[in-house]
Amino acid sequence: AQKVTQAQTEISVVEKEDVTLDCVYETRDTTYYLFWYKQPPSGELVFLIRRNSFDEQNEISGRYSWNFQKSTSSFNFTITASQVVDSAVYFCALSEALSGGYQKVTFGIGTKLQVIP
Amino acid sequence: GAVVSQHPSWVICKSGTSVKIECRSLDFQATTMFWYRQFPKQSLMLMATSNEGSKATYEQGVEKDKFLINHASLTLSTLTVTSAHPEDSSFYICSALGLAGTYEQYFGPGTRLTVT
Repeated sequence: AQKVTQAQTEISVVEKEDVTLDCVYETRDTTYYLFWYKQPPSGELVFLIRRNSFDEQNEISGRYSWNFQKSTSSFNFTITASQVVDSAVYFCALSEALSGGYQKVTFGIGTKLQVIP
Repeated sequence: GAVVSQHPSWVICKSGTSVKIECRSLDFQATTMFWYRQFPKQSLMLMATSNEGSKATYEQGVEKDKFLINHASLTLSTLTVTSAHPEDSSFYICSALGLAGTYEQYFGPGTRLTVT
């Protein structure tokens, strides 16, 4: 069975600080996908990134960056120079491919980030 | 592109009644849709996988007779909560699977159900 652990349930930072959200996963599959989603207070999930298990290249998108390390089964997310608008709950998720081409996504418990002005 | 809508966005119903939630893929066809439930301050829990033209696959612990899922077309899946109880009050989110092989799910905005 797959599992996603987000050990930080809540984080508070002062605006402009950098913050890293941790994500550790467990799976027996060799082919899988990892995701990060943002859920603002409105509730709608916002897709941030998808990474497949064969691509360990780190990615940067503006103030966001992701560090994928298969050796430690981690997929951490860093926000540089945080802003108040970054305040939200962030979910890490793992997708495994099941027989028949279907997938099942397991979400972590989420990390609530509060950026204080 | 890849927009998923849900209707209604929020609903209040009385205990014992049934309520239907619709999930539509607006600009793409989705053979597979997923239904999640999220209780306050908790994560999303997969309830069932909805496949067009076939019966839904329910996760362990989810009552299929209580949460009826119908995926009648390639753009519409419905979740009916039957004989609702206050403990069914939750945020229900659907998602639709995108292009084959991308493993990317497109999420709807969610439906907040309150059972009084």
